[in-house]
Amino acid sequence: QVQLKESGPGLVKPSGTLSLTCAVSGGSVSSSYWWSWVRQPPGKGLEWIGEVYHTGNTNYNPSLKSRVTISVDKSKNQLSLKLTSVTAADTAVYYCARLDQLIQHEWGQGILVTVSS
Amino acid sequence: QTVVTQEPSVSASPGGTVTLTCGLSSGSVSTSHYPSWYQQTPGQGPRTLIYNTNTRSSGVPDRFSGSILRNKAALTITGAQADDESEYHCVLYMGTGIWVFGGGTKLTVL
Repeated sequence: QVQLKESGPGLVKPSGTLSLTCAVSGGSVSSSYWWSWVRQPPGKGLEWIGEVYHTGNTNYNPSLKSRVTISVDKSKNQLSLKLTSVTAADTAVYYCARLDQLIQHEWGQGILVTVSS
Repeated sequence: QTVVTQEPSVSASPGGTVTLTCGLSSGSVSTSHYPSWYQQTPGQGPRTLIYNTNTRSSGVPDRFSGSILRNKAALTITGAQADDESEYHCVLYMGTGIWVFGGGTKLTVL
């Protein structure tokens, strides 16, 4: 069973860039699945950020598209998220997940990122 | 902008049956939206219960079932238990590579 684990700084300054990675084990990012990032602000619901395919093709939430970059590193078997120009509204638990139409969805444990000076 | 709707809160009696729904602000939900359902308890990440409308994830009891009911995706819990008390999230695939989550439903078992 595939396992996902997020890592990165837990604190980012306003106007800075949030950068996270997700290590994939028990499976390969080169498999024919889409890999997503999802976030959850404290006390709120889930928000899909975007997804990447092993080819590097991406799709993004239109509301975040101008600030988001998601990429895949096949040599390290991981995916990455970059979110620029962050504000306090970007404070959330960030999850990586395999969300694909026809296969079981898998989630990482999540990582809390706080935007504060 | 497409909004995915869920009941903010629902209650169930122990041993009873409860259905949570996942709809669209405009239009009907179909299997082409590949609806999925997740259970989340406080401080924990989401646990996948159902994907692709009605396929249970491994290890999920068969008292959890998914369906399309009156133009909405539905999650039915048969024989509700105290530890089913959680937040339940649904997500729909909108095509063109976009997923949209609902706001979540808080289930109380009392």
